[in-house]
Amino acid sequence: DVKVTQSSRYLVKRTGEKVFLECVQDMDHENMFWYRQDPGLGLRLIYFSYDVKMKEKGDIPEGYSVSREKKERFSLILESASTNQTSMYLCASRPTDANTGELFFGEGSRLTVL
Amino acid sequence: AQSVTQLGSHVSVSEGALVLLRCNYSSSVPPYLFWYVQYPNQGLQLLLKYTSAATLVKGINGFEAEFKKSETSFHLTKPSAHMSDAAEYFCAVNSGNTPLVFGKGTRLSVIA
Repeated sequence: DVKVTQSSRYLVKRTGEKVFLECVQDMDHENMFWYRQDPGLGLRLIYFSYDVKMKEKGDIPEGYSVSREKKERFSLILESASTNQTSMYLCASRPTDANTGELFFGEGSRLTVL
Repeated sequence: AQSVTQLGSHVSVSEGALVLLRCNYSSSVPPYLFWYVQYPNQGLQLLLKYTSAATLVKGINGFEAEFKKSETSFHLTKPSAHMSDAAEYFCAVNSGNTPLVFGKGTRLSVIA
């Protein structure tokens, strides 16, 4: 089975702190994605990466950056956390040759910024 | 651009009743369509997907969905609801190798 692991299930941070959300997948997938989930808004795409060292902005990249130094790991960085970044963050992956585009998700990281 | 509209942010059904969750999509290219389910405090799990083969797609846990191009719809159904079906359901669209675009979700409640 595909395993997508998000290192922290629950985090509480202070405004202005730098926050790292880590995601690791064990199936050698080329594509990785970060979404945030908010009630009534569904999932919104923050950033994605189709290969190591590559990154693309999604629909809501402001206030975030990402790092993809290794194929299996995709990190989401909040340079200076703000209260409006309190949310559930979901990481996902898929292989490039998946002609269906199906995503495999981690269990999520719930971030609270005080 | 692709988009998905899920009609009804909250649907409530009695145990044993029909489940119908609505999804309409917009896409300028032939779409791939997905339904995901999310149980409390968990990630998303794929229920079923349409990838231009059969228009009636069967998924896990007794769910199925029918792709209707003329109506740009991909509604999710289950003949008889079970308490364990209570969850949030997301419809999503893409065109293969593009990121998935999700709807806002529908929360399903099942009443005993």
